[in-house]
Amino acid sequence: AQKVTQAQTEISVVEKEDVTLDCVYETRDTTYYLFWYKQPPSGELVFLIRRNSFDEQNEISGRYSWNFQKSTSSFNFTITASQVVDSAVYFCALSEGDSGYSTLTFGKGTMLLVSP
Amino acid sequence: DAGITQSPRYKITETGRQVTLMCHQTWSHSYMFWYRQDLGHGLRLIYYSAAADITDKGEVPDGYVVSRSKTENFPLTLESATRSQTSVYFCASEDVQGSYEQYFGPGTRLTVT
Repeated sequence: AQKVTQAQTEISVVEKEDVTLDCVYETRDTTYYLFWYKQPPSGELVFLIRRNSFDEQNEISGRYSWNFQKSTSSFNFTITASQVVDSAVYFCALSEGDSGYSTLTFGKGTMLLVSP
Repeated sequence: DAGITQSPRYKITETGRQVTLMCHQTWSHSYMFWYRQDLGHGLRLIYYSAAADITDKGEVPDGYVVSRSKTENFPLTLESATRSQTSVYFCASEDVQGSYEQYFGPGTRLTVT
């Protein structure tokens, strides 16, 4: 069965610090997809990234970067120079198989608090 | 309005009552999903649908019923609400023709007393 573990329940940083959110997954499939979503205090879920199991290249988008390592079954998310607006709950999620759609298994989330 | 909407946004109901949560999307995405979010559990998949009249169970389907008579609507019904179904419910649709991103609705906060 698929499983996603976000061991960090809550992280507190001061603005401009870099912060890494950890995500470890379990799956028996060779084809799978990994996702990150952001849930700000307003409650909506915002898609950040989707990565397939065959693409281990790191991804960078502005201050956000993702490190995918199949050897350790990890898909970690780093925010560089954090800002107060980054305060949110961040979810890592996994979808197994290549069925053309995603039945997401979410981790329990990491709450990030960025103080001024 | 374009996008995905849910109604009501807040609902309080009593144990044993039937309640239906509505979800509507304007993109004509074929796939739609219902999740519940509870503290300590993250989001868990309740049901999903591949198209009108095609639905399937997710991780936590017990106590819920879904239907999909039209592509744009995917209502979730609690036939006899229980306190354990107090949660925030999110509907989502997926763009399987392009980004494979799941777009989430704003959520419905349901309290069962």
